[in-house]
Amino acid sequence: KNQVEQSPQSLIILEGKNCTLQCNYTVSPFSNLRWYKQDTGRGPVSLTIMTFSENTKSNGRYTATLDADTKQSSLHITASQLSDSASYICVVADMNYGGATNKLIFGTGTLLAVQP
Amino acid sequence: GAVVSQHPSWVICKSGTSVKIECRSLDFQATTMFWYRQFPKQSLMLMATSNEGSKATYEQGVEKDKFLINHASLTLSTLTVTSAHPEDSSFYICSATTGGTSGRAKNIQYFGAGTRLSVL
Repeated sequence: KNQVEQSPQSLIILEGKNCTLQCNYTVSPFSNLRWYKQDTGRGPVSLTIMTFSENTKSNGRYTATLDADTKQSSLHITASQLSDSASYICVVADMNYGGATNKLIFGTGTLLAVQP
Repeated sequence: GAVVSQHPSWVICKSGTSVKIECRSLDFQATTMFWYRQFPKQSLMLMATSNEGSKATYEQGVEKDKFLINHASLTLSTLTVTSAHPEDSSFYICSATTGGTSGRAKNIQYFGAGTRLSVL
């Protein structure tokens, strides 16, 4: 079972509409949770990063929430644009991994398609 | 912001040949670099962690003799896929971190744009 699960797998919305993507994780303890946007054939680009003590973080039209008690996070996209079409990946930094840098556990992503 | 450059972005090679992929941190010194592989419609899977001046640490199931990693400087790491076969065709992505000592700074990984490898 994947330690980071995302839903839905894919989503189609009309331009201008809002949407919310979900992430459930079992990684514990964790250092931080991030949301990345990955365009097809490109590397991931960071949208937000939250430590376990933060509940919400915004970056423009993107707002991420975190509930460390229920181990859930969401990414809300407001007033969607065609350029928002991409895969959105939830990533949890695993504190159990040794070394100077935590290991990142990636979700399988939600593929978002914004249609005109 | 921190920029990680990956080259080439796309490579096609014949089966049995070796391919080298470069990952450079352009405006910061990367004490640690990571190499990931991503198959279609799957999440990124960590292949190995590379620290400057030392041997890379490979994840379970990744053949170290097949995927040679060199991190000779604080701004460059290379991944060489030796004797590539069609099953090695994938999207390879590197990331780099400054490895800072503060809680959040040490965890920020900056990703390259990826390299699409197609082995014929």
